[in-house]
Amino acid sequence: EVQLVESGGGLILPGGSPRLSCVASGFTVSTSYVGWVRQAPGKGLEYVSVLHGGGQTYYADSVKGRFTISRDTRTNTVYLQMDGLRVEDTALYYCTKLDTSGHDFDYWGRGTLVAVSS
Amino acid sequence: QAGLTQPPSVSKGLRETATLTCTGNKNNVGGRGAAWLQQHQGHPPKLISYRNYSRPSGIPERFSASSSRDTASLTIIGLQPEDEADYYCSAWDDGVSAWVFGGGTKLTVL
Repeated sequence: EVQLVESGGGLILPGGSPRLSCVASGFTVSTSYVGWVRQAPGKGLEYVSVLHGGGQTYYADSVKGRFTISRDTRTNTVYLQMDGLRVEDTALYYCTKLDTSGHDFDYWGRGTLVAVSS
Repeated sequence: QAGLTQPPSVSKGLRETATLTCTGNKNNVGGRGAAWLQQHQGHPPKLISYRNYSRPSGIPERFSASSSRDTASLTIIGLQPEDEADYYCSAWDDGVSAWVFGGGTKLTVL
């Protein structure tokens, strides 16, 4: 059974640099597309970043240069290093797995909340 | 990155049929198709239709997806109270090399 469990969120000061973690089970991150999608309070879904099994990374324009996605294949964990946080980055961050085509987000974690405020 | 266009809300009666739409362009919906996600209040999204119109295991046959040119549609037959949720479409966009989402449609079952 595929499971994704996020952690690392919290109340962060503007400019802060938290790292989100997503522990995956039921599949191997080194052979799958895994990514992050966020949802601001009361708003819709927004793609953030995806890491392909082959190592290629993708970023939304809104986070490019500030966020870095990576993985640890030993622990089957995907990370999102968030630098230079802004108030507008406040959201529930979901870890998500894509299907084998890399197009459809087929499994989702429960999310970890990142609140950026002074 | 520009997103896909969905109507903000749709209201239908119990046991009626609802059709939700998602409009993009030739770089996303028109060329690659769209997947559909259901999100109940306070819960993570759940995939209910792949872009190839197939349903994940456990999704009722009442849910069916289709598309025509740059518009994808999700039809829900025989609406049930538990179908009341937010519905999002998603697609890969070749033009911006990114995944894009619709703004979501809030489905109310009266």
